[in-house]
Amino acid sequence: GESVGLHLPTLSVQEGDNSIINCAYSNSASDYFIWYKQESGKGPQFIIDIRSNMDKRQGQRVTVLLNKTVKHLSLQIAATQPGDSAVYFCAENSGYSTLTFGKGTMLLVSP
Amino acid sequence: NAGVMQNPRHLVRRRGQEARLRCSPMKGHSHVYWYRQLPEEGLKFMVYLQKENIIDESGMPKERFSAEFPKEGPSILRIQQVVRGDSAAYFCASSPPVLGVASPLHFGNGTRLTVT
Repeated sequence: GESVGLHLPTLSVQEGDNSIINCAYSNSASDYFIWYKQESGKGPQFIIDIRSNMDKRQGQRVTVLLNKTVKHLSLQIAATQPGDSAVYFCAENSGYSTLTFGKGTMLLVSP
Repeated sequence: NAGVMQNPRHLVRRRGQEARLRCSPMKGHSHVYWYRQLPEEGLKFMVYLQKENIIDESGMPKERFSAEFPKEGPSILRIQQVVRGDSAAYFCASSPPVLGVASPLHFGNGTRLTVT
């Protein structure tokens, strides 16, 4: 079936580095994508979203890139901080605003 | 500025008992979604509800699980005759009315169900 998945289960970076988390999706009909951050013991926290009519969107220290040709989504975090350590999920809209989540990438930031 | 409120945060039930999980959406949100998360996995959609209506329950197991969102009060996810495989974190999310354009879901901090 169609699903959303991630390339890397764990990403380790040094504080101050830029981080890139990747996500592949297979549903070509998806038109809305979201990145969530989940810290231990908490619910997913919205980071940034992008619609399919865009290929790039920037927030505070974060940028999401969407490549519809290869069905690829990435989250870039600039100047990564220890507080960015968490599991990051990409999710795609699959109708009625229900979301299909990938399995997640754990980001570990070392001081 | 209360977000999505879920209770209890932790729930322990013996096999065969019933579990009731509650969710109050953000103020102004009339749509509620329930997701289940197993350890080290992503969230799996279960059910989508509006007030007094189930819109999509395609992710809900056919037996033992039910959900409601009454006109008054919180949304309830009910699991009857729990089994060990029901142990998971259950997250509720809410969104404002969908007007043809998708919007992000806002999640609560979940209820962690442990079945002994």
